Amino acid sequence: AQSVTQPDIHITVSEGASLELRCNYSYGATPYLFWYVQSPGQGLQLLLKYFSGDTLVQGIKGFEAEFKRSQSSFNLRKPSVHWSDAAEYFCAVGILTGGGNKLTFGTGTQLKVEL
Amino acid sequence: KAGVTQTPRYLIKTRGQQVTLSCSPISGHRSVSWYQQTPGQGLQFLFEYFSETQRNKGNFPGRFSGRQFSNSRSEMNVSTLELGDSALYLCASSPVRSGGPSYSSGANVLTFGAGSRLTVL
Repeated sequence: AQSVTQPDIHITVSEGASLELRCNYSYGATPYLFWYVQSPGQGLQLLLKYFSGDTLVQGIKGFEAEFKRSQSSFNLRKPSVHWSDAAEYFCAVGILTGGGNKLTFGTGTQLKVEL
Repeated sequence: KAGVTQTPRYLIKTRGQQVTLSCSPISGHRSVSWYQQTPGQGLQFLFEYFSETQRNKGNFPGRFSGRQFSNSRSEMNVSTLELGDSALYLCASSPVRSGGPSYSSGANVLTFGAGSRLTVL
């Protein structure tokens, strides 16, 4: 069965510092990978996705992620964090099944930004 | 373009009652999925509907059910509520493309609503 691991439950960075959130997946076939962000009291917003091709994908809000098949990883990065980036971040693997799809999520990483 | 709309946003029920949550997808999106989010279990897939048919189901008891209408709007129902059903219930919609299941051209990429926060007392 597929699974997603986000090893860091909480991360604190200073505003302007770089950020890397870790994500490891376990899936036997070609992975479809996503990063979502959730602000307090809100739903999930898609940051970026990887299906195939270039292993470095660009997303919204200045985020990027790199797919590394050999390490089963899809880490999220941002060169300079803004206070508004404080939120919870979820990595997910998408499964095409039953004619449709479903996502398996990691447990999330709570990002705190110090001013 | 309006996003995914979920109603109600907040509700409180007591054990043993039932609840119905509603979801209106983005215009043109024909697939609707439901997820439950709790502090203990995280985000878990409930079910997915397309063309008024459930085509995927997660590992939840039969107390959890859903349906989809001809206009793609969806409802989910939880009967005989338990304390553990307290959660944020998230609905997501996605476009469907012809040619078989894939994520190409944005097909099956989920856009989530703000959720319905259910508290069971």
